[in-house]
Amino acid sequence: RKEVEQDPGPFNVPEGATVAFNCTYSNSASQSFFWYRQDCRKEPKLLMSVYSSGNEDGRFTAQLNRASQYISLLIRDSKLSDSATYLCVVPHTGGFKTIFGAGTRLFVKA
Amino acid sequence: EPEVTQTPSHQVTQMGQEVILRCVPISNHLYFYWYRQILGQKVEFLVSFYNNEISEKSEIFDDQFSVERPDGSNFTLKIRSTKLEDSAMYFCASKPGYTGELFFGEGSRLTVL
Repeated sequence: RKEVEQDPGPFNVPEGATVAFNCTYSNSASQSFFWYRQDCRKEPKLLMSVYSSGNEDGRFTAQLNRASQYISLLIRDSKLSDSATYLCVVPHTGGFKTIFGAGTRLFVKA
Repeated sequence: EPEVTQTPSHQVTQMGQEVILRCVPISNHLYFYWYRQILGQKVEFLVSFYNNEISEKSEIFDDQFSVERPDGSNFTLKIRSTKLEDSAMYFCASKPGYTGELFFGEGSRLTVL
């Protein structure tokens, strides 16, 4: 299994739709997880941190399932401005590197 | 709001030339990173730096690469003899503690001809 694996994209959804992405990770000892957003040719920017079972911020909800080793990101009421690549990020327990998933591309259409 | 700054934003160089990419991390941060992203591909870890030394590096970070924190504020990535496949966006990142989020600079785009 890859260290961090994400749903292959792209996801094409209409405005107002609800969309969910999954991410699986291989290191069962990982304690913290992050979702970053990356716009085309820009730097990744933090969207949400996930330290316990989940986190919610407005239209965005992240859930963690430690038993199955996956994290999900749910976006409700999608906006055109949500179009971006969403990166699942898992710090390496016991080390220093932070591993990025390959990203899931989201296109929200009018 | 404090931010990570990187220079240059874009550098074009000839194959075999040396390149230095510069970063100024956020001032109270202790952990520093370089990542690489080839166009259309994933963000790849290169190296982490803590307490004035490399703490971890990836297989990509071979002898052609080096990092330095020469003056307590700048954090540089040097590529000794660039290859075509080094063309990518290089992101510097920092974080205040062992856990927590990474803060990224806007990146330096390197084009090797």
